[in-house]
Amino acid sequence: GAGVSQSPSNKVTEKGKDVELRCDPISGHTALYWYRQSLGQGLEFLIYFQGNSAPDKSGLPSDRFSAERTGGSVSTLTIQRTQQEDSAVYLCASRDRGDTQYFGPGTRLTVL
Amino acid sequence: GQQLNQSPQSMFIQEGEDVSMNCTSSSIFNTWLWYKQEPGEGPVLLIALYKAGELTSNGRLTAQFGITRKDSFLNISASIPSDVGIYFCAGQRGGSNYKLTFGKGTLLTVNP
Repeated sequence: GAGVSQSPSNKVTEKGKDVELRCDPISGHTALYWYRQSLGQGLEFLIYFQGNSAPDKSGLPSDRFSAERTGGSVSTLTIQRTQQEDSAVYLCASRDRGDTQYFGPGTRLTVL
Repeated sequence: GQQLNQSPQSMFIQEGEDVSMNCTSSSIFNTWLWYKQEPGEGPVLLIALYKAGELTSNGRLTAQFGITRKDSFLNISASIPSDVGIYFCAGQRGGSNYKLTFGKGTLLTVNP
């Protein structure tokens, strides 16, 4: 079946521009996570959505980062006024009622 | 954010050799997981461990949940070229959000 998909796969932007990253979770999965993976680092938790509950935003590094999940399905991670340190791979994962998170292929963001 | 201490950072081995990598934490986790990430892909779950002292195998992979709940190891026996990738440990503290804390990864290279 279809897994988690993310778009775009690569994004190059100029410092100061806004970017939007999209995640399509596995159909029927109620939980959705965003992680950031910087070069040579493990994955860093950013934000978590569960059903209609208020999202857990405790991992967002600054107020330039925000995320939405519309209709309990697709999610968009927005980074405003991008900085060079925002360059990383942004990974999305979804989960059903079990505890296994299924990851998408990620979006590689490069801020020039 | 907090990360697990994973070692070694990288390994270069010959095909057929056995491999061992481990993770430690200063705090307790209720679940330990091991993921593998290949280039351009998101992490894929290899093994999940749910009880202190648990030893679980998945083919040539064996992982253990440390008795103190602060560490875990992963062994790969008789390595093959397709074992190449980055291996991550991850811990979950429990609760309903299943948020993961990741190690920085072990880059495994297998020479045929």
